[in-house]
Amino acid sequence: AQSVSQHNHHVILSEAASLELGCNYSYGGTVNLFWYVQYPGQHLQLLLKYFSGDPLVKGIKGFEAEFIKSKFSFNLRKPSVQWSDTAEYFCAVNAPGSARQLTFGSGTQLTVLP
Amino acid sequence: NAGVTQTPKFQVLKTGQSMTLQCAQDMNHEYMSWYRQDPGMGLRLIHYSVGAGITDQGEVPNGYNVSRSTTEDFPLRLLSAAPSQTSVYFCASRPTGHQPQHFGDGTRLSIL
Repeated sequence: AQSVSQHNHHVILSEAASLELGCNYSYGGTVNLFWYVQYPGQHLQLLLKYFSGDPLVKGIKGFEAEFIKSKFSFNLRKPSVQWSDTAEYFCAVNAPGSARQLTFGSGTQLTVLP
Repeated sequence: NAGVTQTPKFQVLKTGQSMTLQCAQDMNHEYMSWYRQDPGMGLRLIHYSVGAGITDQGEVPNGYNVSRSTTEDFPLRLLSAAPSQTSVYFCASRPTGHQPQHFGDGTRLSIL
């Protein structure tokens, strides 16, 4: 069964600092990868997705993620965070063998200090 | 276009009571899913459906039932509520199995 690991449970940054959130998955074949964001009191929203092609994908609000197949990783990055980026971030994987199921990581809470 | 609509937004139950969480989508999506979100555990799949009349179990199905009589609706039933079912429940839909999920606003459920 596929699994997703997010190593950082809580990250605290100051505004303008750079962000990198780790995500590793366990599945040997082709995968679809996603990052979702959940702002306080709201539902999950899609930040970006990777299906195929260029391993560096750009999403909304200045976020990007890089798929490194050899490392089974899909880390999320942003060069300069803002206070409004305070939220919980979830990595998720969808493997073709189980296309009906999206497996989520445990989430990383990001707090950006003004 | 309302997207995914969940009702109620909040509910408090006593142990042993039953209830149904409603989920409806107006995007004609075939795939629908129910997740529960608990602190430090991310989202865990309870049940899912790949089309009307078809449902299957996810990672944590015990204590929950679902049905899918129409494409639009995917209700989640708690048969006999237990304190361990205190959680935030999210319904989601997507057009195919490989597309991103569209999430509802969630139902915050407390079992006393």
